[in-house]
This record gives sequence, C-alpha cells and structure tokens, in this order.
Amino acid sequence: DAGVTQSPTHLIKTRGQQVTLRCSPKSGHDTVSWYQQALGQGPQFIFQYYEEEERQRGNFPDRFSGHQYPNYSSELNVNALLLGDSALYLCASSRDRANEQFFGPGTRLTVL
Amino acid sequence: AQSVAQPEDQVNVAEGNPLTVKCTYSVSGNPYLFWYVQYPNRGLQFLLKYITGDNLVKGSYGFEAEFNKSQTSFHLKKPSALVSDSALYFCAVRDRGYSTLTFGKGTMLLVSP
Repeated sequence: DAGVTQSPTHLIKTRGQQVTLRCSPKSGHDTVSWYQQALGQGPQFIFQYYEEEERQRGNFPDRFSGHQYPNYSSELNVNALLLGDSALYLCASSRDRANEQFFGPGTRLTVL
Repeated sequence: AQSVAQPEDQVNVAEGNPLTVKCTYSVSGNPYLFWYVQYPNRGLQFLLKYITGDNLVKGSYGFEAEFNKSQTSFHLKKPSALVSDSALYFCAVRDRGYSTLTFGKGTMLLVSP
C-alpha cells in the first residue's frame, strides 16, 4: 500500500514565477492538507481540501491556491513567487477530516 | 487560537539513558495531541496520539507520552534512548472542533553513543 506521494522532490524557481506541486493521498484517504515548513520551523497549515472544495485555510495570501480532483489527488499552486516562499511543502492525507494525518516526503522549493 | 510550545531547541542524551522531550499546548476545548518525528530530508512520521482515555499513550519505536491536563503538557518519553532516535521531533495539537494541526517549532534530539 503506497503512502502519500508528492512530486516533484525538488524544484528551483525564480522570483515572480508560478509553481505547481502535486500530491497523491494514501489509499482510502479522502482529505488532503498542505503545510509549509520553513527552515528551522515547524510546519504551518496552508489549507485543506475535502470533497474537491477548500474547507479550511491558514494565514496564507491568495497567491497560494489549490485544487482537489475526483480521485482525491491534490495540487498546490503558488503565483508570483517570493524569496520567502522557499521551504519544504508537505502534503498530508487523512481518512476524513477527523482522523490523524499521514505526511508525504515533501517537495523542497527553492526560489532564487 | 490553538498553540504549541516546545521549550527546548535541542535535547542531548547518552544512549541507554531515558529521554524526555517537552511539549505544552493551548486550546479552547479538549485537545487531540500528536507527536511526529522527522529525519533529514524526509517528511513527518506519526509516532503517537492522545485522543481520550489513559493519560499514558504508547506509540511506535518504544516511545510513549504522558498527557497532563492540569499542566497542559504532553511530554514525549522513552526509557532507553538509541543513537537511531536522533532526529527532529514535533508536537502538534488539534482542537476537537477543527481538523487542522498546529505544530511546535520542533526539538532536535541528539543521542550520543
């Protein structure tokens, strides 16, 4: 049984560009959450998708957007990249919104 | 708003000795509490959780945690540390009315041979 998978593993972009990160949840999970982990910090909640809709959102600007597909996979899009967006982006899935979350290995985004 | 504090940036312990990694929390209602571990260049791995019931929770790899409601603490413990336990440990809290996790800043555990 595959766990949570994320792609790509690493990504380098320049300021002002746009990026799309992808996540496939663990089998049987229908809820996907995204977190940003800056260097030396704990993960910060970006948003959560359930039934193809954004259900909750953390304190992140509208440059951060997402999508969930019918197969429960999800995308995180970041527009107009800033240097401060450099971080490890973690996807977590759960079996509905109340259960514990299982994390993927993350995508390391570097903005130059 | 919910929050988590991990007061120690780093904990050093010799192999074979007991270890404790501290965590305190703040939520408006009854909490769900979690511990995760992160190895270099890896995502977070779930260790254990407290939902309700016994205040001593047992988890993966011999770790356990003690929930103390009066002190709003959820300290991670292990009776005998291994060098392979060296990693970054995160405490997280979720209010029962919400589904999102709030994490602490993390504590680096270094176990020396």
